[in-house]
Amino acid sequence: DQQVKQNSPSLSVQEGRISILNCDYTNSMFDYFLWYKKYPAEGPTFLISISSIKDKNEDGRFTVFLNKSAKHLSLHIVPSQPGDSAVYFCAASSPNTGNQFYFGTGTSLTVIP
Amino acid sequence: KAGVTQTPRYLIKTRGQQVTLSCSPISGHRSVSWYQQTPGQGLQFLFEYFSETQRNKGNFPGRFSGRQFSNSRSEMNVSTLELGDSALYLCASSLRGLAATSTDTQYFGPGTRLTVL
Repeated sequence: DQQVKQNSPSLSVQEGRISILNCDYTNSMFDYFLWYKKYPAEGPTFLISISSIKDKNEDGRFTVFLNKSAKHLSLHIVPSQPGDSAVYFCAASSPNTGNQFYFGTGTSLTVIP
Repeated sequence: KAGVTQTPRYLIKTRGQQVTLSCSPISGHRSVSWYQQTPGQGLQFLFEYFSETQRNKGNFPGRFSGRQFSNSRSEMNVSTLELGDSALYLCASSLRGLAATSTDTQYFGPGTRLTVL
């Protein structure tokens, strides 16, 4: 049972425009959410996180939005750069499940120069 | 600081064999978690070790096991390999890990690509 879903396997965006990556979850007990970025032949690297007490968190060009009522998470990248081309995973955790992370299947972002 | 290292990076085995993968966490990190990544399923949590004890376990059969040593290095073992075990196996380390009251940022290694023929 996939508790965290990324329904778009891929996304292409022009350089300089906004990239929006989406993530939906089913477990209302999730209280901590993260985004990871993964380049080929490398492990995922942490990008940004948000706790359920917030609805927005910003870090430079990256902003994560959380809509708890819709059980929806999104990552905005503005402006997009070619170096942002990678696979992005969202993940969620809950103390009820031992805080283990549940990952989505990933969205491959291509930023076109 | 050196990052998380995993050995070997690539491995080819045949059905029925067993395999052991190794993970060295970032110095000072006491928690090591293991994940299986497959194209259709994304990253799936296998288990977490903290101070040599398994603290969390995902929904995988008993053929998947692990251990952690006193220096926090961890090994994962898969016995009686099946074709479906072909995947990228990732380990991640963190300071406190998946503690009851908080969640640490996890730092991932590059993974071991296991192919079962």
